[in-house]
Amino acid sequence: GAVVSQHPSWVICKSGTSVKIECRSLDFQATTMFWYRQFPKQSLMLMATSNEGSKATYEQGVEKDKFLINHASLTLSTLTVTSAHPEDSSFYICSATGTSGVYSYEQYFGPGTRLTVT
Amino acid sequence: TQLLEQSPQFLSIQEGENLTVYCNSSSVFSSLQWYRQEPGEGPVLLVTVVTGGEVKKLKRLTFQFGDARKDSSLHITAAQPGDTGLYLCAGVKTSYDKVIFGPGTSLSVIP
Repeated sequence: GAVVSQHPSWVICKSGTSVKIECRSLDFQATTMFWYRQFPKQSLMLMATSNEGSKATYEQGVEKDKFLINHASLTLSTLTVTSAHPEDSSFYICSATGTSGVYSYEQYFGPGTRLTVT
Repeated sequence: TQLLEQSPQFLSIQEGENLTVYCNSSSVFSSLQWYRQEPGEGPVLLVTVVTGGEVKKLKRLTFQFGDARKDSSLHITAAQPGDTGLYLCAGVKTSYDKVIFGPGTSLSVIP
């Protein structure tokens, strides 16, 4: 149980284009989803928290107009990187909390999406 | 300011050796979690500890939560190459707070 999927697993795009990444909870309802960015051999950097049906809460320093988050249902959240630039290249990981797990704060992570902007 | 510190930051050991990874804070947490992340994949939850002094075992992995609930340790016995990965501790102060991640310990087990 508590499986989270991400699509695509990797994507290469040209500078200036937009890229959408999907995060789905497959066997539970995700009341809250989180989006992280991770650089090689470093920890996770929280970008934003989203609750189903409401606007995402962005962490300080994260541009909400550049990283658009939509949590349209209890099983799906999307992150759209708009007008991507090479410095946006990174590993993006989503996680979810919700009806699965013993503790409501236990996060279940997706496999991540490797974004490369050329 | 890093609310959760981890040590060591990097660790390279031979197969069969034992090791301990530490997660420390000056703050009290209601719970701590340990995750393992392999390259190119998302973190996988290993354990959650909630009671001060609690010890949990997962095969060759032993997790301990400090009595004051400010620190935790992960001990691996007879490490294997499959244990290689980034080990992250994460804490929650209250049920209403977001999870705080430590900087991670990168473990490499050499065959």
